[in-house]
Amino acid sequence: DTGVSQDPRHKITKRGQNVTFRCDPISEHNRLYWYRQTLGQGPEFLTYFQNEAQLEKSRLLSDRFSAERPKGSFSTLEIQRTEQGDSAMYLCASSIEGGTGANVLTFGAGSRLTVL
Amino acid sequence: GNSVTQMEGPVTLSEEAFLTINCTYTATGYPSLFWYVQYPGEGLQLLLKATKADDKGSNKGFEATYRKETTSFHLEKGSVQVSDSAVYFCALTPYNFNKFYFGSGTKLNVKP
Repeated sequence: DTGVSQDPRHKITKRGQNVTFRCDPISEHNRLYWYRQTLGQGPEFLTYFQNEAQLEKSRLLSDRFSAERPKGSFSTLEIQRTEQGDSAMYLCASSIEGGTGANVLTFGAGSRLTVL
Repeated sequence: GNSVTQMEGPVTLSEEAFLTINCTYTATGYPSLFWYVQYPGEGLQLLLKATKADDKGSNKGFEATYRKETTSFHLEKGSVQVSDSAVYFCALTPYNFNKFYFGSGTKLNVKP
């Protein structure tokens, strides 16, 4: 098991462009989370999937943000018409519902977005 | 609502000093509590957890006790090492585990 993978690790884009991040969770993990982290702050919840169903979405997430998890495997987070305020580290985490490792988040290394 | 408050950093200690990082929480119901650590250039990783009142989580010499009466989950280590230099995050999740709430993080610098 290679852990949680995120791609790309760093994305630089111009304001107004669309960007997409991909997350590959640990294969047996049925829960997947997206978080955003800015400098000096803790991770801020964006959205949560259980299998392929998006069960919760932060009210802080504008309509420009959308996330999918087709077939309950990898997930994508798309930001449309990026703004400078979107610059942050986007973290993906996964967890399993039962067993000894239940409900412990395993994080990826993150995808850093810089909007110029 | 649910929230986590932890002491601001940075905390600077000499090697072998005693460490305490304070964490208090507000939660509905009976949450599970966690400490995550982020070493320089790496992703967050679980340090320890506690799932019910009076539980003590421990790992790598770190300990934290789930105190329901004071709504606290303070992180302690008896003798820190330079390799413990990192950012430490306190976190909670409510009973349904559909969302994890993190504190703002406390940066620890340990000097030789």
